[in-house]
Amino acid sequence: AQSVTQLGSHVSVSEGALVLLRCNYSSSVPPYLFWYVQYPNQGLQLLLKYTTGATLVKGINGFEAEFKKSETSFHLTKPSAHMSDAAEYFCAVSDRNRDDKIIFGKGTRLHILP
Amino acid sequence: EPEVTQTPSHQVTQMGQEVILRCVPISNHLYFYWYRQILGQKVEFLVSFYNNEISEKSEIFDDQFSVERPDGSNFTLKIRSTKLEDSAMYFCASSDLANEQFFGPGTRLTVL
Repeated sequence: AQSVTQLGSHVSVSEGALVLLRCNYSSSVPPYLFWYVQYPNQGLQLLLKYTTGATLVKGINGFEAEFKKSETSFHLTKPSAHMSDAAEYFCAVSDRNRDDKIIFGKGTRLHILP
Repeated sequence: EPEVTQTPSHQVTQMGQEVILRCVPISNHLYFYWYRQILGQKVEFLVSFYNNEISEKSEIFDDQFSVERPDGSNFTLKIRSTKLEDSAMYFCASSDLANEQFFGPGTRLTVL
């Protein structure tokens, strides 16, 4: 069965500092990998996804993530945090079937310190 | 830009009552999903739907739950007799052949 582990339920970084949100997955086959962001009282917005090809994936708002098969990781980074990045971030995985469900991690709340 | 819409945004109901949550998926999408998020917890898969039938359902999706695509545009989730523990945010999602699911803004269900 697939699963996702996000290290750290809360992460605080200073404005302008590097953002690093950690995600490890478990899957018996190479999965699709996703990062979603949820702003307060809003729905889920896709930040980026990895399906195949280049392992460094660039997403919206300056975020990127690198798929490392050997480490079963898909950590999310952003070089310079902005106050507007404060939100809940979910790492997620799905199988490569077209109609497969998405399995979400427990989420990491990102706090940006002025 | 096409988007998934959900109504109502907030539903308050009494325990034991039936509720229907409505979703309008993106028009050319073929796969439909419901997820829920209990306050402070992770998003959990409930059910997937394709070709007018359930593809997969989770353990959460028991006999109290049902889904329907009553016409060419709506996708509904019905809870027959709500319990306190059904209070959550319910998200609808849809996808086409590209495997990317687009999520709606959610319906917050409060069961009193």
